[in-house]
Amino acid sequence: GENVGLHLPTLSVQEGDNSIINCAYSNSASDYFIWYKQESGKGPQFIIDIRSNMDKRQGQRVTVLLNKTVKHLSLQIAATQPGDSAVYFCAERRYSTLTFGKGTMLLVSP
Amino acid sequence: GAGVSQSPRYKVAKRGQDVALRCDPISGHVSLFWYQQALGQGPEFLTYFQNEAQLDKSGLPSDRFFAERPEGSVSTLKIQRTQQEDSAVYLCASSPNRTIKLNTEAFFGQGTRLTVV
Repeated sequence: GENVGLHLPTLSVQEGDNSIINCAYSNSASDYFIWYKQESGKGPQFIIDIRSNMDKRQGQRVTVLLNKTVKHLSLQIAATQPGDSAVYFCAERRYSTLTFGKGTMLLVSP
Repeated sequence: GAGVSQSPRYKVAKRGQDVALRCDPISGHVSLFWYQQALGQGPEFLTYFQNEAQLDKSGLPSDRFFAERPEGSVSTLKIQRTQQEDSAVYLCASSPNRTIKLNTEAFFGQGTRLTVV
């Protein structure tokens, strides 16, 4: 069936590096893609979203890129900090639900 | 309140026991969602309310799962005759929007971790 998935389950980086977390999706009907950050013991926290009619959106230290040709979504975090350590989920919105991928754990070493 | 509040934070239930999980959404938020998150997995949609109306319950895994929001604010997720596969974190989210579509800035609670033994 159609789903959202992630290529890398764990990403380890050094503080100050740029991080890139990738996500593949298969449902071309999705109109919104969202990145969430989830710290241990907490609920998912919205980071940034992008509409399907866009290919790039920037926030504070984060950039989301959408490539509809290959159905690929990525989250770029600039100057990664230890506080960025968490599990990151991409999600696609269809109708009244969000479908989440399995997540990538980002580990930032000081 | 300041955020979405869920209680209890942790619940251990014996197999076959009924449980009730509570969600207090952000005051005034129209939309409320329940998600189930298994260990190491992303959250999976269970059900959606707009005010007191349950508009989508397609994600409820069985008829042992029941959710309500009688006054359009607090919601309760009830699981009857719990089984080990019900062990997961149950997340609640609320959104101020009235749209039938999930607002992408839905605010999540910390979740209730249910362990069925």
